Amino acid sequence: GAGVSQTPSNKVTEKGKYVELRCDPISGHTALYWYRQSLGQGPEFLIYFQGTGAADDSGLPNDRFFAVRPEGSVSTLKIQRTERGDSAVYLCASSLMHSGMGGEQFFGPGTRLTVL
Amino acid sequence: AQTVTQSQPEMSVQEAETVTLSCTYDTSESDYYLFWYKQPPSRQMILVIRQEAYKQQNATENRFSVNFQKAAKSFSLKISDSQLGDAAMYFCAYRSTPLWNQGGKLIFGQGTELSVKP
Repeated sequence: GAGVSQTPSNKVTEKGKYVELRCDPISGHTALYWYRQSLGQGPEFLIYFQGTGAADDSGLPNDRFFAVRPEGSVSTLKIQRTERGDSAVYLCASSLMHSGMGGEQFFGPGTRLTVL
Repeated sequence: AQTVTQSQPEMSVQEAETVTLSCTYDTSESDYYLFWYKQPPSRQMILVIRQEAYKQQNATENRFSVNFQKAAKSFSLKISDSQLGDAAMYFCAYRSTPLWNQGGKLIFGQGTELSVKP
């Protein structure tokens, strides 16, 4: 596709459940980022992939959060034992590394997660 | 650690007028990037303008320009000839250069909600 896509657009789940959020980056982009945006706040960094490996996961809040990118393209953010505080919009972005544009990040429309 | 602060939660401007959104940041690095992003209700972040810290000249993109004051660590966005379509949340963001940071994660401010009155 032309841009970054994320599915589902909205996800409602119950406290304690497991959820998976998917991100399809722009074709050819080697870098992929996940951010979390709580209501009324700016996005906060969660994790960054360069290719298949998580190069920086310093933003993951705890061990209930995990992300994978097994083939260096699509990424899945996984949240175990969801809590009400996990409710937020989860944004994905991708970029070409070391491009002349300074690695501009292109964002997807996000997944709004609501934990009841 | 770097921080970004936007002290104006909300701003309003009359259509066709000019508005300035403020942003300050804190860093000990000498080279970095600064950005303004627009987030409409659709949630998709759109890059408005970018500034490289080593460039003294302020960036300009059509009706959008910045006032970059490196010593003061200030990075304001000026929108000229405001249009109804400019109404959105605006976020200021900081990014270390790739050599200094693993991949260049963005650090965002809290955002400023801009409304445009017809």
